[in-house]
Amino acid sequence: QQQVKQSPQSLIVQKGGISIINCAYENTAFDYFPWYQQFPGKGPALLIAIRPDVSEKKEGRFTISFNKSAKQFSLHIMDSQPGDSATYFCAASKRGAQKLVFGQGTRLTINP
Amino acid sequence: EAGVAQSPRYKIIEKRQSVAFWCNPISGHATLYWYQQILGQGPKLLIQFQNNGVVDDSQLPKDRFSAERLKGVDSTLKIQPAKLEDSAVYLCASSLTVNNEKLFFGSGTQLSVL
Repeated sequence: QQQVKQSPQSLIVQKGGISIINCAYENTAFDYFPWYQQFPGKGPALLIAIRPDVSEKKEGRFTISFNKSAKQFSLHIMDSQPGDSATYFCAASKRGAQKLVFGQGTRLTINP
Repeated sequence: EAGVAQSPRYKIIEKRQSVAFWCNPISGHATLYWYQQILGQGPKLLIQFQNNGVVDDSQLPKDRFSAERLKGVDSTLKIQPAKLEDSAVYLCASSLTVNNEKLFFGSGTQLSVL
């Protein structure tokens, strides 16, 4: 059962543009929503995370927007750079359980 | 701070053979996870350990997969016998405690079953 649906599968953005990746979840018991970044040949690395008590969280050029009523959250990368080219995964877990459920991933390419 | 170490990096075997993967988590991390990442998909949790006890193994195909974490540090994941559909990257991750949500992943072992 796909509990976290991620789109798009792939995304091409020009350098300096805004990259937007969306995720939707089904389980209302989820209360922790991280985004992971994965480079080829490496394991995923935590980028930024949010809890449902806030609608937005910003860290540098990376922002998570969260819509609890729609059960959706998204990652925005401002001023996208070629070094941001990677695969991005959204994920979700329930409070007190570290069983992360991952989305399918988005392959992001930033053209110079 | 040293990261999560995994070996081997690559493994090629034929179906019905057995294979084992090794993981050394970050020092002091009590919780260890094994994830399976099939090409083009997100990682899927296979098993979670807290120290040397199993917390969750609900998605581990127990007829062919086994894992252990002796002494609450290193862990091994074994597949016997392997099937073609086991071709994937096997990722090990660790976190400080079971209540700490930040996971640190290793680079994984890429398994090809021919």
